[in-house]
Amino acid sequence: DAGVTQSPTHLIKTRGQQVTLRCSPKSGHDTVSWYQQALGQGPQFIFQYYEEEERQRGNFPDRFSGHQFPNYSSELNVNALLLGDSALYLCASSWARQETQYFGPGTRLLVL
Amino acid sequence: EDKVVQSPLSLVVHEGDTVTLNCSYEVTNFRSLLWYKQEKKAPTFLFMLTSSGIEKKSGRLSSILDKKELFSILNITATQTGDSAVYLCAVVVSGTYKYIFGTGTRLKVLA
Repeated sequence: DAGVTQSPTHLIKTRGQQVTLRCSPKSGHDTVSWYQQALGQGPQFIFQYYEEEERQRGNFPDRFSGHQFPNYSSELNVNALLLGDSALYLCASSWARQETQYFGPGTRLLVL
Repeated sequence: EDKVVQSPLSLVVHEGDTVTLNCSYEVTNFRSLLWYKQEKKAPTFLFMLTSSGIEKKSGRLSSILDKKELFSILNITATQTGDSAVYLCAVVVSGTYKYIFGTGTRLKVLA
């Protein structure tokens, strides 16, 4: 049973650039959430996608956007990168009616 | 503002010790509380506690939820070096799909 997968594992960008991170949910899951985890901090909720729509958003600027595809996979896009965007980006999947989320290994983004 | 606070921030124990990790929360409308273990990158699910399930146990790990006092504890008995990790607590806010995480407790178990 394939768990949550994310790509790439690591990424280095420069300020002002744009980045796209990808996530495939655990088999049978239809909901995807994205989190940003800075060093030494807990994950911060960015947004959640269900039925290809963003149904909940955390306190992140519009530079952070996403998409969910018909096969439930998802992308996180970040525009106009700032140094402060350097973090581990985690994707978590779940069934729509259950609260237990399963996390992927994350993408570590470094902005120089 | 909804918030989750974990304590202690870090803890060093020896193998065989028992540890208690704390998670307190202030949220507008509580739905459930989840515990995760994060060793390197991906947090792995441990327990979910709700109004209808305020105590959970799995092997050496157990957790309780006190909805009146707004906190949860995670107990680990007979600790092993493999228990070394960051333990995260998250609260789900009712009426939303938002998960609020604490900063985590970093546990190090020495052989």
